[in-house]
Amino acid sequence: DIQMTQSPSSLSASVGDRVTITCRASQSFGNYVHWYQQKPGKAPKLLIYAASNLESGVPSRFSGSGSGTDFTLTISSLQPEDFATYYCQQSYSTPLTFGGGTKVDIK
Amino acid sequence: EVQLVESGGGLVQPGGSLRLSCAASGFTFSSYWMHWVRQAPGKGLVWVSRISSDITSDDSNTRYADSVKGRFTISRDNADNTLYLQMNSLRTEDTAVYYCARGPLSDPYYFDYWGLGVLVIVSS
Repeated sequence: DIQMTQSPSSLSASVGDRVTITCRASQSFGNYVHWYQQKPGKAPKLLIYAASNLESGVPSRFSGSGSGTDFTLTISSLQPEDFATYYCQQSYSTPLTFGGGTKVDIK
Repeated sequence: EVQLVESGGGLVQPGGSLRLSCAASGFTFSSYWMHWVRQAPGKGLVWVSRISSDITSDDSNTRYADSVKGRFTISRDNADNTLYLQMNSLRTEDTAVYYCARGPLSDPYYFDYWGLGVLVIVSS
């Protein structure tokens, strides 16, 4: 199984901050990584697919990059509605696996 | 508008069974692979199972996480636009919110739409 290691597991940030979350895969593959946002009590929401493609309707302050084993989700200027937990997921092989999550809260 | 609505959750004793349903609307259900993903209370997301769009008698159209293999069965009724998860021999560690999710046509192994989720509690 491919392990997806996300870091940090949590972070505190202020509105307007630039936030970077990383995800490292246990083996190398192409761009088969996707990012989701989940708010408390809600279903996850797709933000980025295939490492760097912005899902329709998602604000442009979200971006993704990476290939091989290292992937990054960046929020260029954190907004109040961005405080949430973020997950990466690999679709290279079954079982599909997620990172452990990164909780972004208010400093 | 794409909508996925799960139902069938609840409280069940260890060893019991439950069948979850996911009613789909707003898209051509029969064209899409579908998945179940679960989330234990306070924990992360875990993929459970998937079913391809092409239903044949071949079991290769379904896949399961090792933790549920042999106990859970995913199925679909394309005429009724409904996805199912039959859960047998339930264990306390199966307690979670269960989400159905759609796999996009470009790569059916990630999830572009999610349902609101349904809570399953396995407890005596």
